[in-house]
Amino acid sequence: DAGVTQSPTHLIKTRGQHVTLRCSPISGHKSVSWYQQVLGQGPQFIFQYYEKEERGRGNFPDRFSARQFPNYSSELNVNALLLGDSALYLCASSIYGQLRHEQDNEQFFGPGTRLTVL
Amino acid sequence: GIQVEQSPPDLILQEGANSTLRCNFSDSVNNLQWFHQNPWGQLINLFYIPSGTKQNGRLSATTVATERYSLLYISSSQTTDSGVYFCAVILTGGGNKLTFGTGTQLKVEL
Repeated sequence: DAGVTQSPTHLIKTRGQHVTLRCSPISGHKSVSWYQQVLGQGPQFIFQYYEKEERGRGNFPDRFSARQFPNYSSELNVNALLLGDSALYLCASSIYGQLRHEQDNEQFFGPGTRLTVL
Repeated sequence: GIQVEQSPPDLILQEGANSTLRCNFSDSVNNLQWFHQNPWGQLINLFYIPSGTKQNGRLSATTVATERYSLLYISSSQTTDSGVYFCAVILTGGGNKLTFGTGTQLKVEL
């Protein structure tokens, strides 16, 4: 079975530009979350989407936005890029939802997109 | 917000040695996961363990939720165990937001 997939793998942008990152969850998973990991730190939560609705948002500026599609894949958009946006962007999927089983909120991560802003 | 502290921050072992990594959290949680992040950045799931004890090969983990800590045991370490180990928790009532710990950087030498 395929795991969580993300594209692109690497990306180089300049300040002020816009970027779109993509994520496909594990088949059967309806929740997608996005995390930002800067060098030397643990991942920080950005967004969670479930059934195409935003269910959680971390402490990130409005330049960050996301959406989830009917097939449960997701996009993360970042506008007006800053040097400080350079990071590894990770996508995680989980069953979530009704939590019929305790382990339904276990999250599985994709390989990440490494964004460099020059 | 919830605080998640890991110790030690850095650890160097000789191949074959055993180690214990600790994760302390400041509030009630309903999800606790341990991850290994390899040098390419991939987060690999080790354990989903909000309470109790689990074992998988040379790795085992114990979470004592009432005392708000979790331990990851690595036995007979190998060079491929090198990398960063994170624990991450979801606060009770916190939806699906994982809060990651500070991480333990492990290096296993020959």
